[in-house]
Amino acid sequence: QQPVQSPQAVILREGEDAVINCSSSKALYSVHWYRQKHGEAPVFLMILLKGGEQKGHEKISASFNEKKQQSSLYLTASQLSYSGTYFCGTPLSGAGSYQLTFGKGTKLSVIP
Amino acid sequence: NAGVTQTPKFRVLKTGQSMTLLCAQDMNHEYMYWYRQDPGMGLRLIHYSVGEGTTAKGEVPDGYNVSRLKKQNFLLGLESAAPSQTSVYFCASSSRQDKNTEAFFGQGTRLTVV
Repeated sequence: QQPVQSPQAVILREGEDAVINCSSSKALYSVHWYRQKHGEAPVFLMILLKGGEQKGHEKISASFNEKKQQSSLYLTASQLSYSGTYFCGTPLSGAGSYQLTFGKGTKLSVIP
Repeated sequence: NAGVTQTPKFRVLKTGQSMTLLCAQDMNHEYMYWYRQDPGMGLRLIHYSVGEGTTAKGEVPDGYNVSRLKKQNFLLGLESAAPSQTSVYFCASSSRQDKNTEAFFGQGTRLTVV
C-alpha cells in the first residue's frame, strides 16, 4: 500500500522553511526520499533506516519515527532549486524488500 | 557514464497495438524496475527483476509483460495497448550489494494510446 504524503502542494518564498510528511499503515523499516523536477527523472535525496542511520543529502534533513510509522523531510532556507515534486518510498514487501512503493508526491514551488 | 537509458522517449500507439520499451543500464546493477507515473498518482511499480532471467509482479502488473534476458536490459511489453496505459514510464535500477541504496532512474518514456 502506498504511503501517504502531506501536504499535496506548498508554495514558499526563497529562504522560508517547509516540512513534508510521509506516513504508512504498515511497519516501516526504511524511508527513501526522491525529488523530481518537471519533465525529468526522479533523483535520490536520502534514505532513513530503522535505528536512526541516515544516508544522503547534506543540505536536507529528515526524521524517521518508527513507532508512528512516519517520516518528515525538512527543507530549510529554501532555494529556487528546491522546487519540484518530492516523493517518499517505502519497501513494498517488508524489511528485506528492495522494491519501493511511492507516495503520490508533494509539489513544492519556491518563488523569489 | 550513461546510467539508465530508456528507448524510445516518446511514442503514440493506437488501441490494440503492441510495443516494447527498452531499458538499459551500465552500472552492473542486479535489480531493475518498471514504474508508471500518472498525474496525482505518484510512481507505481509495474514489474521488477532481481537478476538475469527473473521477473516479478509489482503493484499494477495487469496488461504488461517483462523480460530480463541480459543483466543490463529490462524490457517492458504491452501486448494490446489500451488508453488506460497512457502514462510516463520510468525504468530504474539499484545494486544488490546494499539494499538500502539509491535507485537510478531513466529519463522516462511518454506513451500515448489513442
